[in-house]
Amino acid sequence: ETGVTQSPTHLIKTRGQQVTLRCSSQSGHNTVSWYQQALGQGPQFIFQYYREEENGRGNFPPRFSGLQFPNYSSELNVNALELDDSALYLCASSIGNTDTQYFGPGTRLTVL
Amino acid sequence: KNEVEQSPQNLTAQEGEFITINCSYSVGISALHWLQQHPGGGIVSLFMLSSGKKKHGRLIATINIQEKHSSLHITASHPRDSAVYICAVPTDSNYQLIWGAGTKLIIKP
Repeated sequence: ETGVTQSPTHLIKTRGQQVTLRCSSQSGHNTVSWYQQALGQGPQFIFQYYREEENGRGNFPPRFSGLQFPNYSSELNVNALELDDSALYLCASSIGNTDTQYFGPGTRLTVL
Repeated sequence: KNEVEQSPQNLTAQEGEFITINCSYSVGISALHWLQQHPGGGIVSLFMLSSGKKKHGRLIATINIQEKHSSLHITASHPRDSAVYICAVPTDSNYQLIWGAGTKLIIKP
């Protein structure tokens, strides 16, 4: 139990749709990172938010965007969904960007 | 060549055996993470270490910064230890983790 929750657990969308995934971090964790994990592969860094501002970004197109809120919750938004967006999306929270990251259970997104 | 390499890729052992999973990396790091991922996706951070050795229960993690190598050991392994074990290292900017491919461990009763 890491104290990090994600919703929904599973989600099915069709190509072209938009999706919002949510993450609730531990209280006091001012940093949240989002990862995409395709089946059978390691997680790929999408971006990180620190104190409600984007603090770093991996090789993902602009249709992947995020928000972080003062109550330690955050969102990952994906527009114009593509089939390759089907994956497990993980969020991880920490205090600062060098501390141990605590991972949520993930949201499994399927794009048909 | 991957910047973080793990071995073995798959490991099956009997309950009670001593388990070793290895991780080698080619980038300069400030710390290395060992994480555990259970079926269904949940990831738990086990250790973050920058030198020497850390122990938590039956889990021991060691790191040799000069050789750029780390090992995760499990003593008296148990079926509930069955999971994927992943090592990850932060980039120079610290906020992006570079992940190993993971080691799938199965402990048979």
